[in-house]
Amino acid sequence: AQKVTQAQTEISVVEKEDVTLDCVYETRDTTYYLFWYKQPPSGELVFLIRRNSFDEQNEISGRYSWNFQKSTSSFNFTITASQVVDSAVYFCALRYHTGGFKTIFGAGTRLFVKA
Amino acid sequence: EAQVTQNPRYLITVTGKKLTVTCSQNMNHEYMSWYRQDPGLGLRQIYYSMNVEVTDKGDVPEGYKVSRKEKRNFPLILESPSPNQTSLYFCASRPGLLMEEQYFGPGTRLTVT
Repeated sequence: AQKVTQAQTEISVVEKEDVTLDCVYETRDTTYYLFWYKQPPSGELVFLIRRNSFDEQNEISGRYSWNFQKSTSSFNFTITASQVVDSAVYFCALRYHTGGFKTIFGAGTRLFVKA
Repeated sequence: EAQVTQNPRYLITVTGKKLTVTCSQNMNHEYMSWYRQDPGLGLRQIYYSMNVEVTDKGDVPEGYKVSRKEKRNFPLILESPSPNQTSLYFCASRPGLLMEEQYFGPGTRLTVT
């Protein structure tokens, strides 16, 4: 079965704390892509990162970093020194080849960053 | 400006009254999708289209129809809306099949009473 699990429903942190959002996926495909999206309170969906199944290098973009580990089928997202503007719902997503190149999303993690 | 547009952005309707949510993209993308977002469930795909006249069911297609007569447009049709279709709907497009990011519309909040 193809599946994305974001076990953390809500996380609350105080500004400047580091926070990690977990994402675990399941797929039978050997070629697939993983994504993270941000949905701020205004409601739009903002693309953050894409990672293919053959590239396990970690990525850092400013305060954001991503850790992809095929051995544990995880693609975790860390925000360093969180800010109030990071408050949003974050979605992890998996795209695979079988069955129409569909993208499936996790249930999302709502992050509250308090000042 | 490259974008995906949806209309209407907000809609309140009654059970059984047919409605259409339009979606249009100006990026010449081949792949388009409709999703619904519900609390605790994330986004679930309703229908997708890999090109003109090519559409297929996603994970939650019941109660919905789509068409793809032109590359840029992908309307979502609710022939007889029911309260369980109250949701936030997103249209998305992307240029290719596997690796490219999706571009999402701003969302349509639908309430069926």
